[in-house]
Amino acid sequence: EAQVTQNPRYLITVTGKKLTVTCSQNMNHEYMSWYRQDPGLGLRQIYYSMNVEVTDKGDVPEGYKVSRKEKRNFPLILESPSPNQTSLYFCATGTLGELFFGEGSRLTVL
Amino acid sequence: AQKVTQAQTEISVVEKEDVTLDCVYETRDTTYYLFWYKQPPSGELVFLIRRNSFDEQNEISGRYSWNFQKSTSSFNFTITASQVVDSAVYFCALSDIFGNEKLTFGTGTRLTIIP
Repeated sequence: EAQVTQNPRYLITVTGKKLTVTCSQNMNHEYMSWYRQDPGLGLRQIYYSMNVEVTDKGDVPEGYKVSRKEKRNFPLILESPSPNQTSLYFCATGTLGELFFGEGSRLTVL
Repeated sequence: AQKVTQAQTEISVVEKEDVTLDCVYETRDTTYYLFWYKQPPSGELVFLIRRNSFDEQNEISGRYSWNFQKSTSSFNFTITASQVVDSAVYFCALSDIFGNEKLTFGTGTRLTIIP
């Protein structure tokens, strides 16, 4: 079964405490991406990766890092989280815009 | 820069009514792709359709239909004979010539179907 798996699904943390949201896909797609969803703002792209070791900034990359060492994994790193990074995060993979999304990770930064 | 506008923030209709969700886009590309995604109350995002800018034919899939008009930069989505299961947030999105998955999403339209 095609899957995009994100962990954790829910997280409450405090300002400045580094965290990583993992994303793994079993569809062998080259493309992976991270989005954040905020009320009234829709989905905004944070980072994307066209292939292993190839990453690029999306529309809202500030405060985030990513790495793509393996095809299946694309972790999102918040080195020093701040309250404005409280959001619902989605990882996605796919081809030609037909994206498969993970179930989302709801992050709260206090 | 690319932009997608979904002016309807929320729509409510009574079950079995038809409803149209509007999507207007801006792009400087002559070739591009347009998409619709559905986000039901459970939260996952589901791909519905992809159209490229060369294909202006309307598309119908069951109760769903899409009207692409390049002249007005619109890609509207109509649900015929709506059902409660259609209640969701619907996102329109745009990508560039390569369809390289750098999608620009609209802000979404929350559709509520009243039984």
